[in-house]
Amino acid sequence: NAGVMQNPRHLVRRRGQEARLRCSPMKGHSHVYWYRQLPEEGLKFMVYLQKENIIDESGMPKERFSAEFPKEGPSILRIQQVVRGDSAAYFCASSPPGRSNQPQHFGDGTRLSIL
Amino acid sequence: AQTVTQSQPEMSVQEAETVTLSCTYDTSESDYYLFWYKQPPSRQMILVIRQEAYKQQNATENRFSVNFQKAAKSFSLKISDSQLGDAAMYFCAYRSGSNFGNEKLTFGTGTRLTIIP
Repeated sequence: NAGVMQNPRHLVRRRGQEARLRCSPMKGHSHVYWYRQLPEEGLKFMVYLQKENIIDESGMPKERFSAEFPKEGPSILRIQQVVRGDSAAYFCASSPPGRSNQPQHFGDGTRLSIL
Repeated sequence: AQTVTQSQPEMSVQEAETVTLSCTYDTSESDYYLFWYKQPPSRQMILVIRQEAYKQQNATENRFSVNFQKAAKSFSLKISDSQLGDAAMYFCAYRSGSNFGNEKLTFGTGTRLTIIP
């Protein structure tokens, strides 16, 4: 009865390095959403993916950020050449296929710290 | 684009008392969902309560209830008999009901609730 699994819980990177954040949705869920929470702010939508497809990336920064949800394996949020401003908590949420009246289920988030 | 506004950055309440957290939103849609999420210091996102816009009846979950005023685009959360474990950030969120399959949430900036023993 695993929920949405995110790893790692904490990730420390130096400026210029790459960060990879992983999200495994709940069993039976094929829709994944990534959100970013800057310190003392609310969550901001980044990207919505289905298996092998990016559906809505309207909240993704234009550069350095990318996301994927392959046919097999977890969804990955990748940040290249990280900068101090990327320090934030990144949350993943999942929902079942099709239109659902059920709310999204959130993971516990990954806290990214940039040195 | 939809926006969600929480005008109270911080609130406090005596233990066992009642507190109301405010939320307003802006949308041109008629079909949507509204949510309140709680984020304790552990930073988990915990769903507190949700409301479907087409339902006139206000949602209730134990000590938590909402006052949904669709015409005024207001969605306040009332916490009765406040407990120490209610201390957290509370976020109001909006979800469109018309973007088939796209259930992205728009969040407010949050209200930090402190419970005074």
